[in-house]
Amino acid sequence: KAGVTQTPRYLIKTRGQQVTLSCSPISGHRSVSWYQQTPGQGLQFLFEYFSETQRNKGNFPGRFSGRQFSNSRSEMNVSTLELGDSALYLCASSLSEVLQETQYFGPGTRLLVL
Amino acid sequence: AQKITQTQPGMFVQEKEAVTLDCTYDTSDPSYGLFWYKQPSSGEMIFLIYQGSYDQQNATEGRYSLNFQKARKSANLVISASQLGDSAMYFCAMRDFYNQGGKLIFGQGTELSVKP
Repeated sequence: KAGVTQTPRYLIKTRGQQVTLSCSPISGHRSVSWYQQTPGQGLQFLFEYFSETQRNKGNFPGRFSGRQFSNSRSEMNVSTLELGDSALYLCASSLSEVLQETQYFGPGTRLLVL
Repeated sequence: AQKITQTQPGMFVQEKEAVTLDCTYDTSDPSYGLFWYKQPSSGEMIFLIYQGSYDQQNATEGRYSLNFQKARKSANLVISASQLGDSAMYFCAMRDFYNQGGKLIFGQGTELSVKP
């Protein structure tokens, strides 16, 4: 079974631009979560989607948004990029939101904002 | 509030020896799950092991075992017979029942270096 895939793997943008990152979950997984990883803040939860509905959202400004499609693929969008948005963005999928369900991560998208 | 603490920023271990990575957690929820992930320099988070708060026995997965001490709120990862490929960042994470959805809370991580 193919793992979680994320595209693109690397991205360079300038301040003020917007960016869209894509995540394809493991086949059959309906829950997709997004995390931001930076050296200073560590791993922080962005949001989670299940069956096209946002179920949980982290403490990020409204510039960060996401959605999930009927095939469970998910996208996240960051508008008006700031230097501090430079990070590794990780997507994770799981069968459901059940407590013991393991989240499997993709390879991440490294975003650099200049 | 839920919190995960990993007090060892970096650790060294000799190849073939065992190593314990510390993790303490804080939650008021009686129902929660604890996870350990490995992150090599490539960036991908690799799931290692899971322990549920109601599990009676410590979890084991191959060379990985979890030393779960509920009263102390600790969930230490034990890697037996370390290999050079074990060099990576290791993250402890928690999810609790009352958190709507599947949000994982991560610790700051421990960087493990295995010496030949």
